[in-house]
Formats: sequence, C-alpha cells, structure tokens
Amino acid sequence: GNSVTQMEGPVTLSEEAFLTINCTYTATGYPSLFWYVQYPGEGLQLLLKATKADDKGSNKGFEATYRKETTSFHLEKGSVQVSDSAVYFCALTTGFQKLVFGTGTRLLVSP
Amino acid sequence: DAGVIQSPRHEVTEMGQEVTLRCKPISGHNSLFWYRQTMMRGLELLIYFNNNVPIDDSGMPEDRFSAKMPNASFSTLKIQPSEPRDSAVYFCASSSGTSGRVDTQYFGPGTRLTVL
Repeated sequence: GNSVTQMEGPVTLSEEAFLTINCTYTATGYPSLFWYVQYPGEGLQLLLKATKADDKGSNKGFEATYRKETTSFHLEKGSVQVSDSAVYFCALTTGFQKLVFGTGTRLLVSP
Repeated sequence: DAGVIQSPRHEVTEMGQEVTLRCKPISGHNSLFWYRQTMMRGLELLIYFNNNVPIDDSGMPEDRFSAKMPNASFSTLKIQPSEPRDSAVYFCASSSGTSGRVDTQYFGPGTRLTVL
C-alpha cells in the first residue's frame, strides 16, 4: 500500500538556520507529493506540491524536489524564521483524491 | 472567500451521547473529506464525497460513525453513541477535483471533540 515516512521531531533550530525535514514514500503508480503545514490551533494548509518526477515545488522560501530514484521529497528552507514554527506533514496521492499523510514533524524555531 | 467552515470548534460531551459535527465546504468545490487527528494515529481519512456521493468510507472506524452530505454546501459527521476513544480533532476539507485529478484540499479549522 501507499505510505509516507517522515523524520521524528521535534526539530529545534535557531532563527536563520538551514532547515531540512526528510520525507520518503512508498507508492504504487506515480504519486503526486505534497507538503502541508499546520500552525497551532489551525487546520492544515498546502505549502507546496510536485506532481511528477524531478519537479520542484516552492513557496514562502520552502522547496522540495520530487526524487523518484530515491523515493524522497525532502523539505528545505535556507533561513528559517520564528514564524515558521509549526507541524509539517508530507503527503502523497495516486489520484482518486485520497491523501496519505506522514506522522508530521514539529519545527520549533527560537530567536 | 470564507474558506471551509466547521462547527462547533469545541465539543465536550459524555460517553454515550450523540455528537454531530458540521461542515460547509468552499463554494464551488465538489469534493469533501472528513479527517480525524490524534496523537496516537496521526491524521486519518474517514470518508470522502464527490458531488455529494460517498466515494470511499473505508476509513470510518465502526458503525457508530456516519456521515451525510445532503447538498453541495453542507455535510455532517455523526457519532452515536460516543466513546472516550473518539476524542480527537476532526477536520473537514474540500477541493474542486474529481477522481483521477489532483487538486489542492483546503482544510477547515477543525472541531476538537472531548468525550468524558
């Protein structure tokens, strides 16, 4: 079946540090890949997505590249801010609208 | 655009009581999803509708859970009778996609349910 594996959190960084959150997946067919972000007390928001191999999704300084050869979709940001503190979810779908989420990685950024 | 609207935002009830959660999707969206989020199990898809028709309810935990979508602008998730293990945050999401297409799902703020 389809599954997503994310690195355990929390990830604790100082402001302006480089961020990487690892995500690998197992899927039948050719999945589309997503990163969602959940701020405290809120629902999930789409951060970025990539629908085919070698695509790079980007938004708000975050980037992730769809790597079919390593079945990965790692999230990166060059310089994090305190306001980036949130829980980040990697997800996939092979169509039919069903998103499969990872367990989430909490990011804590200190001033 | 008001986004996905859920009510109530918080619900505290006693074991055995009926609980009804409500969702209004974004106008024009034709797919609606109910998710449950817990610390133990993470984010789980319970059921989703396309054009008001339930497409996949394989995630519904048991017969105590039921969901309806009587029209394009309203859906309910009902738990009867409720149990303490149902305590979770329940999210509704909507999208403009159809089966076979990938469209962004927009999430509501969630309903935090506590069953005592």
